[in-house]
Parts: sequence; C-alpha cells; structure tokens
Amino acid sequence: GQNIDQPTEMTATEGAIVQINCTYQTSGFNGLFWYQQHAGEAPTFLSYNVLDGLEEKGRFSSFLSRSKGYSYLLLKELQMKDSASYLCAVRASRADSWGKLQFGAGTQVVVTP
Amino acid sequence: DGGITQSPKYLFRKEGQNVTLSCEQNLNHDAMYWYRQDPGQGLRLIYYSQIVNDFQKGDIAEGYSVSREKKESFPLTVTSAQKNPTAFYLCASRWQGNEKLFFGSGTQLSVL
Repeated sequence: GQNIDQPTEMTATEGAIVQINCTYQTSGFNGLFWYQQHAGEAPTFLSYNVLDGLEEKGRFSSFLSRSKGYSYLLLKELQMKDSASYLCAVRASRADSWGKLQFGAGTQVVVTP
Repeated sequence: DGGITQSPKYLFRKEGQNVTLSCEQNLNHDAMYWYRQDPGQGLRLIYYSQIVNDFQKGDIAEGYSVSREKKESFPLTVTSAQKNPTAFYLCASRWQGNEKLFFGSGTQLSVL
C-alpha cells in the first residue's frame, strides 16, 4: 500500500520560519509535489522534486531525500496569508499519468500575529 | 481568464438519486482528473482522462461514472451505488508534458 505522513497542524508566528515534514512509503517513486490549499478553495502548485536536494523558490523551499523517503517544505518570513493546508503528494510510478498522485492528509499551518 | 470551473459550489443529494458535478476548463489541457477530499484524509483519485473519449478508473471509482466527449468537459456522476458520497470533490487538469495540476475550486456534496 501507499503511505504518506505529514503532521496534522503547525502554528508559527508572522515573520518566522516553519518546516513541514513529509515521509512516504510507496510502491515506487517518480516525483514529489507540494500544493497549498486555503480553506474551501482550489489547491495550487508550489513545488516538484524528483532528484535529491533543495529547490528554492522565493520564500518557499522544498527538499527531497529519496533514500530516506523524506521531504520537507520550508516557509520563510511567514505572512498571515500563508495560513493554509499544505499537501504532500507522490507520483508512485513512472508509468502513471502525471496527475495520478498519492496525497498525504495535509498539514494545516496557522500563522499568528 | 483561463481556468477550471466547477459547478455547483454546493450540491445536495437525496437517497437513491444520481447527481452530476460539472467541470469545464478553457486551458486547452489534455488530461483531466477527479479527486475526492474527506476531512483528515488525503485527496483520493476517482477517475481520470488523458484524451477525449477515453478515461481510466482511479483508486476509488466504485459508485461513480464519468464521460469525456469534449476536451473542455469532464463531468462526474455520483450514482446511488455510492453509499457515502458526502465529500468535497475537486476537478483538475494538466497540459501533457507538464507535471503541474491545475485545480478547480471544488463542489461540496452532501446527502439530505
């Protein structure tokens, strides 16, 4: 079976840094995605990692270690608008459609003033 | 503006009734997907279609049906065989050759 774990909730102060961890055990691996979802809204794409290492995009960075089955999303200089659920998703098979993903339950990040 | 439109935003189903959720995109994307989101669980794939007139079952297809007669449209029917239909349904699309999914704003389906 597929198993993708991430913490349920994290709270941080405006301006701080938060790291959201994601561990996965899947039948295969061909890429890991992070999406942001505000309550009742559409998830939006944040990042994609297929090779080990850190990818930086402005205030957001994503890291992948395939040997450890581990990824994290780093949010820097937190803003109130960053309060949202962050979804970790894995594409398990290279034969799968790119949109056929296994999702974790999401991490709700609460930013406080 | 290009995007994915899901309608209605809220939908109520009576016992034994089939209901259809609409998903339309004007992004000229080839592939379209339906995911179901339940509280405390990850999104789960119901059906997907990579080209017109073709679709495949996802992980939880039982009790659902789809059609893909036009590139722009991928409606999902929740049949009476789906015994636990209450959930938030998300439609997504993707351009072939790109890994990024674009999601609609979802339909909340509840049972009366």
